[in-house]
Amino acid sequence: QITLKESGPTLVKPTQTLTLTCTFSGFSLSTSGVGVGWIRQPPGKALEWLALIYWDDDKRYSPSLKSRLTITKDTSKNQVVLTMTNMDPVDTATYYCAVWGGAAAGSLWGQGTLVTVSS
Amino acid sequence: DIVMTQTPLSLSVTPGQPASISCKSSQSLLHSDGKTYLYWYLQKPGQSPQLLIYEVSSRFSGVPDRFSGSGSGTDFTLKISRVEAEDVGVYYCMQGIHLYTFGQGTKLEIK
Repeated sequence: QITLKESGPTLVKPTQTLTLTCTFSGFSLSTSGVGVGWIRQPPGKALEWLALIYWDDDKRYSPSLKSRLTITKDTSKNQVVLTMTNMDPVDTATYYCAVWGGAAAGSLWGQGTLVTVSS
Repeated sequence: DIVMTQTPLSLSVTPGQPASISCKSSQSLLHSDGKTYLYWYLQKPGQSPQLLIYEVSSRFSGVPDRFSGSGSGTDFTLKISRVEAEDVGVYYCMQGIHLYTFGQGTKLEIK
């Protein structure tokens, strides 16, 4: 059974750096074709894809946020970490991680974690 | 960037009736490998999104066969043959040929 769970701070101040961790089970990020992505959703708004890391450490970023994002993986711990610098109130959102498995992009998602940016 | 445009943004359907959602991309989603990278997700109220359809028309594991996807190039459609109460939520299309981009979402309600 595949599960993913996001963790990190619920409140960050403007200009701070956000660090989120996705801890997963039921699959390995060393398996060919597998990736883990991050997606966010501001309250009441649509989904926005942020970043993706593949089993071979290939990394992809949203062009509009690329300068602020870093995605890394720790295969031994079954974790993927997303950092976002220079947080702003507009970055307030629920942040999800999801598994990318072969043809099925975003096949299973975590429960999400709400991050509020406020002073 | 590829822009994904969904219509309608909301629809209200009587149980047992069909429903259809359109998704148009600003560029063709047909890859040189012959595959078309268009996905459909459903986000039920208070839940995380769930994958329904991948590569235009392939149903993900466990998805009822009343859901079907079609289309090519830049025009795609998600159809529900007979809407059930459990189908309420927001439907999103997503392109995967050049990074990933979601549509604005279509909210399905039951009459």
